[in-house]
Amino acid sequence: DGGITQSPKYLFRKEGQNVTLSCEQNLNHDAMYWYRQDPGQGLRLIYYSQIVNDFQKGDIAEGYSVSREKKESFPLTVTSAQKNPTAFYLCASSIRGQGRWDNPEAFFGQGTRLTVV
Amino acid sequence: AQTVTQSQPEMSVQEAETVTLSCTYDTSESNYYLFWYKQPPSRQMILVIRQEAYKQQNATENRFSVNFQKAAKSFSLKISDSQLGDTAMYFCAFMVISTDKLIFGTGTRLQVFP
Repeated sequence: DGGITQSPKYLFRKEGQNVTLSCEQNLNHDAMYWYRQDPGQGLRLIYYSQIVNDFQKGDIAEGYSVSREKKESFPLTVTSAQKNPTAFYLCASSIRGQGRWDNPEAFFGQGTRLTVV
Repeated sequence: AQTVTQSQPEMSVQEAETVTLSCTYDTSESNYYLFWYKQPPSRQMILVIRQEAYKQQNATENRFSVNFQKAAKSFSLKISDSQLGDTAMYFCAFMVISTDKLIFGTGTRLQVFP
């Protein structure tokens, strides 16, 4: 089955530790995204990538880092510089909407709930 | 910079009635897509409907339809014959074709009552 997989579903870390969230897709999508979801704030874009070996900062990139070494994978590292990392994180992928008939649609993973104690 | 605004944090509707969720956006781009996504309590994001900015005709998907006003940068979602299963968070989203940047609004929590 084609889809997008995030792991783990729940993650606990001590304050000051870096942690990496996994995101893998087998949909052959070029574009991938990371969002953070907090109550009342919707989905805020952290980083996105249009193609392998390239990525751009979203609206709240501070304290986060990503890599895009393979088309299928877009891991997110939450660093100790992120002041309030406890949140629900969503990864998504999509075809690129380059043409009028591409009909892009973002497919989402099940999310990772990160709790920093 | 692009922004998406959903001014209704919460809405409620009785089963079988119609409800409209509002969304406005701001952009200087001319080529983009607009979306409505649904997030039920399971937190799985589900595409409800998509609108291409170059199309004047409003998109429809069964009980879901949009009112796309490009000049006003407005993109509202109408849900007809509301069902209990429509209870969810609804997010309006915007994708710039040239950059693939996809941004979301803050969401509207919809409760459908029997």
